[in-house]
Amino acid sequence: DGGITQSPKYLFRKEGQNVTLSCEQNLNHDAMYWYRQDPGQGLRLIYYSQIVNDFQKGDIAEGYSVSREKKESFPLTVTSAQKNPTAFYLCASSIVGTGPQPQHFGDGTRLSIL
Amino acid sequence: AQTVTQSQPEMSVQEAETVTLSCTYDTSESNYYLFWYKQPPSRQMILVIRQEAYKQQNATENRFSVNFQKAAKSFSLKISDSQLGDTAMYFCAFTPSYSGAGSYQLTFGKGTKLSVIP
Repeated sequence: DGGITQSPKYLFRKEGQNVTLSCEQNLNHDAMYWYRQDPGQGLRLIYYSQIVNDFQKGDIAEGYSVSREKKESFPLTVTSAQKNPTAFYLCASSIVGTGPQPQHFGDGTRLSIL
Repeated sequence: AQTVTQSQPEMSVQEAETVTLSCTYDTSESNYYLFWYKQPPSRQMILVIRQEAYKQQNATENRFSVNFQKAAKSFSLKISDSQLGDTAMYFCAFTPSYSGAGSYQLTFGKGTKLSVIP
């Protein structure tokens, strides 16, 4: 079955440590996205990519970095510069077509600070 | 900048009854898309329904329908014959429909937690 796989499901970060969240899709979608979800808040866009080797900052990119070396993969690194990283992180993908296309989401990764 | 407001943090409905979730938005764009996403306790976001602003006809998907009022910038979701599986967080989202950088950014509301009571 086609879908989006995020791993790990739970992740713990120590102070000063960088951690990487994995996102893989086999839907053959060109566009991929990373969102952050905090309790009582909607999703906020961190980064998005419409094509391999290209990505743009979203609303809250500070303290995060991404890469898009393969169409299927869009890993997110939470750097030590992100002072409040505890949140639920969701990855999504969509086709690139005429007008905005529905985004398909993974099951998410919950990141906590040790 | 766009904003999306969901004024009902929590709602409940009796099984088999009908419930309406409200959403208002603010934008200067003339053409855009609106979405309702559902997030059950499993946390996966699922698209429920979408509406293109230039279409006057309200979108419908089985038991889910919207009341889209462009002039009032309102986009409410009606769930008919509520089922226990409808228990979830519901998010309203907006995106402009122009192409170019930023064209695929979704702006989400804070969500409404819906509980369906047996």
